[in-house]
Amino acid sequence: SQELEQSPQSLIVQEGKNLTINCTSSKTLYGLYWYKQKYGEGLIFLMMLQKGGEEKSHEKITAKLDEKKQQSSLHITASQPSHAGIYLCGADSEGGSRLTFGEGTQLTVNP
Amino acid sequence: DADVTQTPRNRITKTGKRIMLECSQTKGHDRMYWYRQDPGLGLRLIYYSFDVKDINKGEISDGYSVSRQAQAKFSLSLESAIPNQTALYFCATSALISGAGNQPQHFGDGTRLSIL
Repeated sequence: SQELEQSPQSLIVQEGKNLTINCTSSKTLYGLYWYKQKYGEGLIFLMMLQKGGEEKSHEKITAKLDEKKQQSSLHITASQPSHAGIYLCGADSEGGSRLTFGEGTQLTVNP
Repeated sequence: DADVTQTPRNRITKTGKRIMLECSQTKGHDRMYWYRQDPGLGLRLIYYSFDVKDINKGEISDGYSVSRQAQAKFSLSLESAIPNQTALYFCATSALISGAGNQPQHFGDGTRLSIL
């Protein structure tokens, strides 16, 4: 079965700093999704990447997919307290019937 | 109003009780999913359904059952609850768009279940 490893597991940054979260798959990536979760709440969909080299941005968040490395990165520019939460990556299985999730990265942004 | 609604939001019950968690959606999606989230273990898939007549086991289906009553409703049951089923449970939905590949899943706000 596919496994996703996220790094770091937790991250504390000062407001205004840039940061990167990585998601590495044990198998070929067919589709990669990034979600954000506030503690104890539901997951909010951020972005979907489906092609090698694909890069998407939304406000100050950019995600990239490196198909050869079986890895995706999520980059936040000029972080704000509103960016705090848990970031999870999810990957499609071959055939696309289900998602496997990483364990998440806990982000704290100090004002 | 939320597109994916889970009820109840919180539940405390005793070992051995039967529990049903309900999920309804107004997104018109064909696919629905149930996950549980545990600290350090991430999200794990319990069951999923691609239409009313299609039910599939996920990676941790033992001790659970589901019912897809309609396109918009997907319920999860614990026939005889045990303490290690204490977790945060999520329902999710996704669209099936022919020729467009997989679509992102959209999640409800979760049900926090505690079994004493």
